Amino acid sequence: NAGVTQTPKFQVLKTGQSMTLQCAQDMNHEYMSWYRQDPGMGLRLIHYSVGAGITDQGEVPNGYNVSRSTTEDFPLRLLSAAPSQTSVYFCASSYPGLGTSTDTQYFGPGTRLTVL
Amino acid sequence: SQQGEEDPQALSIQEGENATMNCSYKTSINNLQWYRQNSGRGLVHLILIRSNEREKHSGRLRVTLDTSKKSSSLLITASRAADTASYFCATGSNYGQNIVFGPGTRLSVLP
Repeated sequence: NAGVTQTPKFQVLKTGQSMTLQCAQDMNHEYMSWYRQDPGMGLRLIHYSVGAGITDQGEVPNGYNVSRSTTEDFPLRLLSAAPSQTSVYFCASSYPGLGTSTDTQYFGPGTRLTVL
Repeated sequence: SQQGEEDPQALSIQEGENATMNCSYKTSINNLQWYRQNSGRGLVHLILIRSNEREKHSGRLRVTLDTSKKSSSLLITASRAADTASYFCATGSNYGQNIVFGPGTRLSVLP
C-alpha cells in the first residue's frame, strides 16, 4: 500500500489564484481530513469527510472547499489564495472500526504552500 | 480553539535519559493519541489510548491517561538521538468530529 499520498509537495501561489491540493489513500479508509499546520499553532482541522459524498467543516474552513466523490480521493480547493493561507497542509485518513471512537489516523507527507 | 496543550514546549536531554511530556485537554474525549513529527516531515502515529484505559506501553513508549485530571503523559525511555522530533497529542471525540492537536513539544536528544 502507498498509504496516504499528497501532491504537490511544494507550491507557490500569487494572491487571488486558485488551486487544488490532491490527497489519495489506498487503505479503503472511510474517514479523511485536511489539516493546516502553522508555526507554534499545532494542527488545525479544515474539513473532514466520513465517507464518499459526505463532507463537513472543521475548525478553520473559510477559504477552502472539499468534495469526496470516491472513497480514495479527498481534494482540497483554495478558492482565492491569500497570504494567510501560507502553511503546511496535511491530509489524513482513518478507518473508524467498531464503535464511535476516532481511531488511528494515517497522515500524508504534507504540502508546503506559500502565497505571495 | 485547541483542546490539547503539551508541556513543556521544548525539552533537551542527553542520550540514554528518559523524556517525559505532558498533555492537558479541556473536554471529554473518547481517545488520546500521540504523534511524532521529524523536522520537515509528516506526522507519524505513535500510540492511541482510549478513555477507559489508564496506561499503555509500546516499545520504549509509555503513555498514561488521567481522565479525572484531563491529562496524559508520554514517557520515552532510554532516549536516542533519533528520537529528536516534535511530539503532539491529539484528542478524539465522537466519530467524524474534530480531532484537535496541541502545539507540540520539541524534544532534542543530544548525543
